[in-house]
Amino acid sequence: EADIYQTPRYLVIGTGKKITLECSQTMGHDKMYWYQQDPGMELHLIHYSYGVNSTEKGDLSSESTVSRIRTEHFPLTLESARPSHTSQYLCASSAGGDRSTDTQYFGPGTRLTVL
Amino acid sequence: AQSVTQPDIHITVSEGASLELRCNYSYGATPYLFWYVQSPGQGLQLLLKYFSGDTLVQGIKGFEAEFKRSQSSFNLRKPSVHWSDAAEYFCAVVGSARQLTFGSGTQLTVLP
Repeated sequence: EADIYQTPRYLVIGTGKKITLECSQTMGHDKMYWYQQDPGMELHLIHYSYGVNSTEKGDLSSESTVSRIRTEHFPLTLESARPSHTSQYLCASSAGGDRSTDTQYFGPGTRLTVL
Repeated sequence: AQSVTQPDIHITVSEGASLELRCNYSYGATPYLFWYVQSPGQGLQLLLKYFSGDTLVQGIKGFEAEFKRSQSSFNLRKPSVHWSDAAEYFCAVVGSARQLTFGSGTQLTVLP
């Protein structure tokens, strides 16, 4: 099972601030993902990456941006946080390859509150 | 495009009782199906997955799920629920684009 870490776990910040949510995995997985989850709701994919220097937008439109400069690191940035960005952000990774091995493993999440 | 429906938003069972959480999927080809569990304030933990072969899949924590193609279902079961099983449960399917699509989740409450 993947070891995947997210920091911070909780963040309360004022409107207009720039924030970066960190996600790292130690399993050498090629694929990484960011999901947004509002309380009591399902997860929606907002960004994914299939490898270094590869990033794509997911099904749910998001004002955030991501980068993938290193295999193990997939940070998410909001240039100017707004209350509408208040949510839980979950990072995941998978090994890729055949679908039978492409299981996603999740980090603990970052709960973001923008005042 | 694929989709997942979890008809039960909230289920309450007594400790020691059996549990079944329903999941229906929509996907044209052979689906790859997952059940994840999320405790409050935590990320998702993989309970079990189905790719092919035996339609009854065993997972962690005593959970199992049965794939029924004729009913487009992948229901999660546990014969005897423990108080620590209280959490939210998500069913998910991987489609042709290799993306996970999640259901809206079922919140499980366990009564003492």
